[in-house]
Amino acid sequence: EVQLVESGGGLVQPGGSLRLSCAASGFTFSSYWMSWVRQAPGKGLEWVANIKQDGSEKYYVDSVKGRFTISRDNAKNSLCLQMNSLRVEDTAIYYCAREGQFGSGNNWFDPWGQGTLVTVSS
Amino acid sequence: EIVLTQSPATLSLSPGERATLSCRASQSVSSYLAWFQQKPGQAPRLLIYDASNRATGIPARFSGSGSGTDFTLTISSLVPEDSAVYYCQQRSNWPPITFGQGTRLEIK
Repeated sequence: EVQLVESGGGLVQPGGSLRLSCAASGFTFSSYWMSWVRQAPGKGLEWVANIKQDGSEKYYVDSVKGRFTISRDNAKNSLCLQMNSLRVEDTAIYYCAREGQFGSGNNWFDPWGQGTLVTVSS
Repeated sequence: EIVLTQSPATLSLSPGERATLSCRASQSVSSYLAWFQQKPGQAPRLLIYDASNRATGIPARFSGSGSGTDFTLTISSLVPEDSAVYYCQQRSNWPPITFGQGTRLEIK
């Protein structure tokens, strides 16, 4: 069974740092792009970042560029998101998601982890 | 950035009725559009990919259509467990990958 389990969320002050992890199991982790998607309380979904299978390509939404860093360890089947200079508006549930390849060759988010809550507040 | 606009914001229907949810893109995304279902306290679940293909395990009452800028998710005969928020998402022109703001479907 494919499983994604996030950890590392918590309460942090504005300007602080947090490192999220996502443990993957049940599939060949090194064969897939992986993403982080977040959801502010009561709001919609926002893609944050993704990373290619070998880590050679990384992309970010503009609002986190220069502050967040996505990384992966294929030997440990692990995805990470290092979040620095956190802002109140970064408060959200952070989901990791596998980017599965489907018919067109395009990637779609499937499945998702259960999420980890990050709260940025003084 | 491609903006996805979903309508209506909220839909309230009875069991057995048909639901029609719309997603409009600010520019063509070809058929590179997906639909997700999110129930309270749960992670989103992939329903439809490439505009019209059902994901594994998704009931046949869910169908997707459209291409270019206009897309539709149809639920043919509603059951109570279809109550959820539904999101569309594109990755035709990225980054960024973008989502619509969601449609809340209530089953009376």
